[in-house]
Amino acid sequence: GAVVSQHPSRVICKSGTSVKIECRSLDFQATTMFWYRQFPKKSLMLMATSNEGSKATYEQGVEKDKFLINHASLTLSTLTVTSAHPEDSSFYICSARAGGSTDTQYFGPGTRLTVL
Amino acid sequence: AQSVTQLGSHVSVSEGALVLLRCNYSSSVPPYLFWYVQYPNQGLQLLLKYTTGATLVKGINGFEAEFKKSETSFHLTKPSAHMSDAAEYFCAVSNLDTGRRALTFGSGTRLQVQP
Repeated sequence: GAVVSQHPSRVICKSGTSVKIECRSLDFQATTMFWYRQFPKKSLMLMATSNEGSKATYEQGVEKDKFLINHASLTLSTLTVTSAHPEDSSFYICSARAGGSTDTQYFGPGTRLTVL
Repeated sequence: AQSVTQLGSHVSVSEGALVLLRCNYSSSVPPYLFWYVQYPNQGLQLLLKYTTGATLVKGINGFEAEFKKSETSFHLTKPSAHMSDAAEYFCAVSNLDTGRRALTFGSGTRLQVQP
């Protein structure tokens, strides 16, 4: 089956620093990747849609200058949390769409970000 | 616009009992519907999906769901619960009308399985 990886799985950083999270589709090409954020015991909230070779589309209320998304290839999208603050602490999950007509998305294992 | 409502944030069943997790959706266009399972500190794993065709969909681990258009429902069932089924379950609808294919998730249902 389709596999999506995320790196790192867990990161702790100081307030004010930037953190980059990678999302890779390992055995398929993904023209579209999605970034979600999940608060404790909550559902997933879509942050942005990442399209290869073009600018990401951000959801309302998501700061594009704070959450930088780059989709440089058909197998890699990155999310950079700039000038992180404690309120940015969360579980970040990416997904990749395999294409075709069924809209199935395959999810990465998630990245736990803790900002001190 | 799409939305998903999962009735019951927590469901507890005994091992071997029927599992029923409820999901209702609203969609302005024919929906694609999904059930995902999430184990602690992990990403989401696809259980099953409905796109078109047969309304009873069978998934992994013995789960199935039935798409009922008249009831706008896509409830998840399993005849006999296993301890390993304890997890968080999310129902989702695909956001087709914007063309971006993002998923809109329900709030999730935590399934507990008692021995």
